[in-house]
Amino acid sequence: AQTVTQSQPEMSVQEAETVTLSCTYDTSESDYYLFWYKQPPSRQMILVIRQEAYKQQNATENRFSVNFQKAAKSFSLKISDSQLGDAAMYFCAYRNFMEYGNKLVFGAGTILRVKS
Amino acid sequence: DAGVTQSPTHLIKTRGQQVTLRCSPKSGHDTVSWYQQALGQGPQFIFQYYEEEERQRGNFPDRFSGHQFPNYSSELNVNALLLGDSALYLCASSSDSLAKNIQYFGAGTRLSVL
Repeated sequence: AQTVTQSQPEMSVQEAETVTLSCTYDTSESDYYLFWYKQPPSRQMILVIRQEAYKQQNATENRFSVNFQKAAKSFSLKISDSQLGDAAMYFCAYRNFMEYGNKLVFGAGTILRVKS
Repeated sequence: DAGVTQSPTHLIKTRGQQVTLRCSPKSGHDTVSWYQQALGQGPQFIFQYYEEEERQRGNFPDRFSGHQFPNYSSELNVNALLLGDSALYLCASSSDSLAKNIQYFGAGTRLSVL
């Protein structure tokens, strides 16, 4: 079974600074997807960024980018120019590529606090 | 375009009771997944419905059951409620026919079991 580990329960960053959230995962599969989701106090999970394991190039979405290290099974999220609206719980998630169905396996989450 | 909608927003039940939670998927989506998120933890996959059939199931007891209707909306039923069933229940929808097959989440139903 696949597992996702987020070792940082809580992180803080100053507004306009850069912060990196860590995620490691365990799988025997070679093809899979990795995601970062954001859950603000409103509770609605929002997709931040998505990475396909077969792509060597790291995904980027505006101020959000990932460092995907397939051999190390590591998938960190970098948030540049942090804004107050980035404060939320961030979840790393995994999904098999070939599995029938698209269930997500989530980590325990990292609370991100942004200081003004 | 309405996103994923869930009802009710909050629910309070007592031990032993039964509960039904509802989910309407995003327009154009045909697959619905349910997750349980205990306080301070990540969501745990309960099951997924596609074409009105349960397609995948996580490690949850048979007290958790579901249904998908022809209009793709879905229900999650929990029987014989336990205190440990208190959690945020999230519904997510997606479409197998869309290339990225991304799951979009609703705001959840907060269930409290007393």
